Amino acid sequence: AQSVTQPDIHITVSEGASLELRCNYSYGATPYLFWYVQSPGQGLQLLLKYFSGDTLVQGIKGFEAEFKRSQSSFNLRKPSVHWSDAAEYFCAVGTILTGGGNKLTFGTGTQLKVEL
Amino acid sequence: DAMVIQNPRYQVTQFGKPVTLSCSQTLNHNVMYWYQQKSSQAPKLLFHYYDKDFNNEADTPDNFQSRRPNTSFCFLDIRSPGLGDAAMYLCATSARTSWHEQFFGPGTRLTVL
Repeated sequence: AQSVTQPDIHITVSEGASLELRCNYSYGATPYLFWYVQSPGQGLQLLLKYFSGDTLVQGIKGFEAEFKRSQSSFNLRKPSVHWSDAAEYFCAVGTILTGGGNKLTFGTGTQLKVEL
Repeated sequence: DAMVIQNPRYQVTQFGKPVTLSCSQTLNHNVMYWYQQKSSQAPKLLFHYYDKDFNNEADTPDNFQSRRPNTSFCFLDIRSPGLGDAAMYLCATSARTSWHEQFFGPGTRLTVL
């Protein structure tokens, strides 16, 4: 069965500093990988996704992630963090469902705090 | 704007008293999902609908039921809520042609007294 591990429960960075959020997955085949962000009181918003091809994927809000098959990782990065990036970030692996749609298996999330 | 709407945003119920949570969407998506997210845990898929076809996850308790009367609406019914059912319930949708992206509503936070 697929699983996702986010080893960092909380991370604090200063505004303007770079950010890397770690994600490791376990999946038997080529994974479909996602990063979602959840702000307080809001639903989950898709930041970026990886299916195949270029292992460095660009997303919204200046985020990028790199797929490394040898390390079973899909880490999220941002060169310069803004205070508005403070939120909870979820990594997920997707499994195609019969008839359409996909089941997302999420990690437990990383809470990002940004210090001004 | 097209969106996923969940009502109510906060719901308080008593132990054992049935409760229904509502989700509506203006995206005209074929697939609708219900996730349960307990405090400090990952969201977990309970079930999903592909059009009118209901698909239950194997480990979803029988206490949880769902209805989808039309494309736009989907309901989550908890027949006899226990204290362990207190959680955030997230509704999401995806289109058949772009199955990979799920659009989430803001969630309903359920408190069981």
